[in-house]
Amino acid sequence: QVQLQESGPGLVKPSGTLSLTCAVSGYSITSGHFWGWIRQPPGKGLEWIGSIFHDGLTYYNPSLKSRVTISVNTSKNQFYLRLTSVTASDTAVYYCANRVGYHFDFWGQGTLVSVSS
Amino acid sequence: DIQMTQSPSSLSASVGDTVTIACRASQTIYTYLNWYQKPPGKAPKLLIYAASSLQSGVPSRFSGSGSGTEFTLTISSLQLEDFATYYCQQSHDIPWTFGQGTKVEMK
Repeated sequence: QVQLQESGPGLVKPSGTLSLTCAVSGYSITSGHFWGWIRQPPGKGLEWIGSIFHDGLTYYNPSLKSRVTISVNTSKNQFYLRLTSVTASDTAVYYCANRVGYHFDFWGQGTLVSVSS
Repeated sequence: DIQMTQSPSSLSASVGDTVTIACRASQTIYTYLNWYQKPPGKAPKLLIYAASSLQSGVPSRFSGSGSGTEFTLTISSLQLEDFATYYCQQSHDIPWTFGQGTKVEMK
């Protein structure tokens, strides 16, 4: 079974850059599927950030596209999220997930990132 | 963006009840509709994909129906572990979007 684990700083300063890693186990990223990031601000709903294929093909939410980069390291079986120029509105629990077809099959446990000085 | 609207936003129910949650899309999404269960403080769990396909390992008391713009999630004989927030999500068009959630609370 696919397992995903997010990691990264829990606190980022305003105007700074949020960087998260998603470590995948139980499945090789190069075997297929898309891999994605989703977030949930406190008290709000879920927001899709973007997805990446193992060859680097990416799809981003247009509302975040100018600030987001998702990348992959197949040798480490990891993929990454980078979000620049963060503000308080980027405070959220960030999830990485395995996209099978047109749905998210397996999710990481999530990591809370707060944007504050 | 395709807007997903769930109703109700919350509901109160008892163990053994049948619960129905509706999800409406702002334009046709055919059957590109998924349902997730999110317990507090935990990750979402896929229940239903492609509008009506039950994810492996999910109890058969969960069922989904609909196509086009109107969809329904039904939970038959509600169990204690089913008290959670439920989200619909469309995957017909980018950006993929979620409904605002329906919280199922204990009566």
